[in-house]
Amino acid sequence: SQQGEEDPQALSIQEGENATMNCSYKTSINNLQWYRQNSGRGLVHLILIRSNEREKHSGRLRVTLDTSKKSSSLLITASRAADTASYFCATGRLQGAQKLVFGQGTRLTINP
Amino acid sequence: DTEVTQTPKHLVMGMTNKKSLKCEQHMGHRAMYWYKQKAKKPPELMFVYSYEKLSINESVPSRFSPECPNSSLLNLHLHALQPEDSALYLCASSQEGFARLAGGHDNEQFFGPGTRLTVL
Repeated sequence: SQQGEEDPQALSIQEGENATMNCSYKTSINNLQWYRQNSGRGLVHLILIRSNEREKHSGRLRVTLDTSKKSSSLLITASRAADTASYFCATGRLQGAQKLVFGQGTRLTINP
Repeated sequence: DTEVTQTPKHLVMGMTNKKSLKCEQHMGHRAMYWYKQKAKKPPELMFVYSYEKLSINESVPSRFSPECPNSSLLNLHLHALQPEDSALYLCASSQEGFARLAGGHDNEQFFGPGTRLTVL
């Protein structure tokens, strides 16, 4: 079962604007990860935030995690056309090998 | 080498065929995964191998048979599939267990480009 829920399901913005995507989850987690997927291709890992962290930055990406609300957000600043993709959050719990449960994803379109 | 490769890129098969999907990584990862992804849906975990042993089977039908012949290779054998099995099949790998913790690595997964499977 998919425990992550993301909103919005689809987001369309102009190039240069910031894009914010949200993710909620239901159970306790070890970490929360964000992945990007270009149409019909494999997923690319973007950023991981541990359960004891509140905020993390990587280039134009900013991720926050609120474990009390079981939610996370991904902010992409100064968006570019190349950021057009689907973005998935995935929650990680240690269960032998790492098991990730993916959210439903947000389809982001950056208009030039 | 931080790449996971998958072959073939595309596969069309009939319901009576037997085919195999292949996945390879040379990052020294000891955990490997198969996911199934339908259009506009998130990936769904099918199998996990840890140190070449099957550690998770997410109640996948027996017409899908995974195999991990060595630490770099992962196969998915397909037999008597149904049209609803048509999907993108993704392979992934990650650090595992003590190697991950000792190396200070986080357990992000590295994905291959996938095999687009169509069952007629």
